[in-house]
Amino acid sequence: DTVLTQSPALAVSPGERVTISCRASESVSTLMHWYQQKPGQQPKLLIYLASHLESGVPARFSGSGSGTDFTLTIDPVEADDTATYYCQQSWNDPWTFGGGTKLELK
Amino acid sequence: QIQLVQSGPELKKPGESLKISCKASGYTFTDYAMQWVKQAPGKGLQYMGWINTQTGKPTYADDFKERFVFSLETSASTAYLQINNLKNEDTATYFCARWDIFFDYWGQGVMVTVSS
Repeated sequence: DTVLTQSPALAVSPGERVTISCRASESVSTLMHWYQQKPGQQPKLLIYLASHLESGVPARFSGSGSGTDFTLTIDPVEADDTATYYCQQSWNDPWTFGGGTKLELK
Repeated sequence: QIQLVQSGPELKKPGESLKISCKASGYTFTDYAMQWVKQAPGKGLQYMGWINTQTGKPTYADDFKERFVFSLETSASTAYLQINNLKNEDTATYFCARWDIFFDYWGQGVMVTVSS
């Protein structure tokens, strides 16, 4: 199975720029997607196909990457962005998720 | 608007079975596959598998080939997840999610607690 590796946690101040990384154990082309999950809620799609912003998601969110290395950027970070962020690949069956990056605001 | 509405929380004993539902609305049910995702308490997301809403054919990830059954009631635009012979490690929240190369819409999740 394709393993997706994320840093477990980050802490940033409001107004700063934050990058969340996701590294795949093998190429997933650009079939990488990003989700935001707040406590007690279902995940929410933010970015699909590595760099496409889902409708209704603020333009502060952006994604980049291809192959094995991907990045989710939030610029500027707002207090409401406190959440866990997951990457997920759909190139290799079975689909897999990263372990999640918990974003905290200072 | 597109919605996936799941059934309510469950409290079960080891060895029992349960069946949770996921009712879709706002789109043509058979146009998109339905996927299932498990989230154990305090843990990340784990892909369980999917069901083809046109044919009813289920596909299970390796960890979910035993005891787990995906099914449909197409006339009611509803997908089901059945878990047989429940174990303590099945304690988790189970999400259904619509599939379009990515998970674009999610149900609110069903919290399942297995305890004697």
